Amino acid sequence: GNSVTQMEGPVTLSEEAFLTINCTYTATGYPSLFWYVQYPGEGLQLLLKATKADDKGSNKGFEATYRKETTSFHLEKGSVQVSDSAVYFCALSESYSGNTPLVFGKGTRLSVIA
Amino acid sequence: DTEVTQTPKHLVMGMTNKKSLKCEQHMGHRAMYWYKQKAKKPPELMFVYSYEKLSINESVPSRFSPECPNSSLLNLHLHALQPEDSALYLCASSPYTPGTGGDEQFFGPGTRLTVL
Repeated sequence: GNSVTQMEGPVTLSEEAFLTINCTYTATGYPSLFWYVQYPGEGLQLLLKATKADDKGSNKGFEATYRKETTSFHLEKGSVQVSDSAVYFCALSESYSGNTPLVFGKGTRLSVIA
Repeated sequence: DTEVTQTPKHLVMGMTNKKSLKCEQHMGHRAMYWYKQKAKKPPELMFVYSYEKLSINESVPSRFSPECPNSSLLNLHLHALQPEDSALYLCASSPYTPGTGGDEQFFGPGTRLTVL
């Protein structure tokens, strides 16, 4: 079956540091890949997505590139802020019937300190 | 309107109570989902509705009963829950586009449920 593996935290960084959260996946076909972010006490928000190989998703300074050859979708940000402190989930969906249940990684908790 | 709303925000119930969670979206999405999320864990899929019909039930106990009265509304009826059912219940919706690799899902803020 499909699965997502992401580095488990917690990850603690100083403000303006470079962020990488690794994510690899296993899928039988050609999934769409997502990064979702969850701030304390809230639901999940889509951070970025990529739907095919070599696509780069980007939003709010975060980037991730869909690498089919390494089955990876690593999240990066050049300079983190305190407000980026949250839990980040890598996810995939693969459905040709129309509904698209997400398969999530375990999540990575990021804490950014001033 | 790109928002999924959920009510109530918090719910405390006893093991003999009957309560319902409500989810609403007005984005014209035809797939809607219920997820359960325990602390420090990823969301776990419970149910999927496509065009108001139940298409996936992830072997959820019958004390959870979903309902989709129309294309904008999704309910989760709760009865005789156990303390271990305490969790954040998340609703999500997505477009229904067969033949693609997978659409993004839009999540609501969740209902924090505590079962005493």
